[in-house]
Amino acid sequence: SQQGEEDPQALSIQEGENATMNCSYKTSINNLQWYRQNSGRGLVHLILIRSNEREKHSGRLRVTLDTSKKSSSLLITASRAADTASYFCATDAFQGAQKLVFGQGTRLTINP
Amino acid sequence: DAGVIQSPRHEVTEMGQEVTLRCKPISGHNSLFWYRQTMMRGLELLIYFNNNVPIDDSGMPEDRFSAKMPNASFSTLKIQPSEPRDSAVYFCASSSPAGPYTDTQYFGPGTRLTVL
Repeated sequence: SQQGEEDPQALSIQEGENATMNCSYKTSINNLQWYRQNSGRGLVHLILIRSNEREKHSGRLRVTLDTSKKSSSLLITASRAADTASYFCATDAFQGAQKLVFGQGTRLTINP
Repeated sequence: DAGVIQSPRHEVTEMGQEVTLRCKPISGHNSLFWYRQTMMRGLELLIYFNNNVPIDDSGMPEDRFSAKMPNASFSTLKIQPSEPRDSAVYFCASSSPAGPYTDTQYFGPGTRLTVL
């Protein structure tokens, strides 16, 4: 299975701190995506990193990709209460296919 | 753009009844995906369409589930007959990939299905 697996499953930090979530996968990929899901809502795309990229930034988000270790990390800097959500990594399952496989997610809680 | 639209938002039905979930993708998107999310199994891809044609339905749990996309702006997921284990949140997502690889998917708000 090429399913991404997030670590940790749950993370609770204080507002203002940085949050780091990790994702591991099993086979080669073309790209890896991170999504956020607020409680009771659909998933929202955060960032896509291609296999030939090592790091990407978007606002307070920083994503790294290490294809040799088959892992990615999502860093949220200066966390806010509004960042409380579940975060999922998604990998493309098959070469040339549009299919994404999602991990189980990390539940992030930001305490005021 | 209104984003991906799903209806109904909530559905409560009794075991054995037919359930139809509806999705309107973002205009111009040519790929449409149906997912199911449960606490036990997480987010599972059921089926996806490209240019209205079903490409991969390997995630459809059994013959009770069927999906159609009669045109570029509408898709349905039907469960007949429904069972309590079908209770889940069903998401529709659409995408407009520029090439052969996966691209950003835009999710609808989901339909929360409860089968009693």
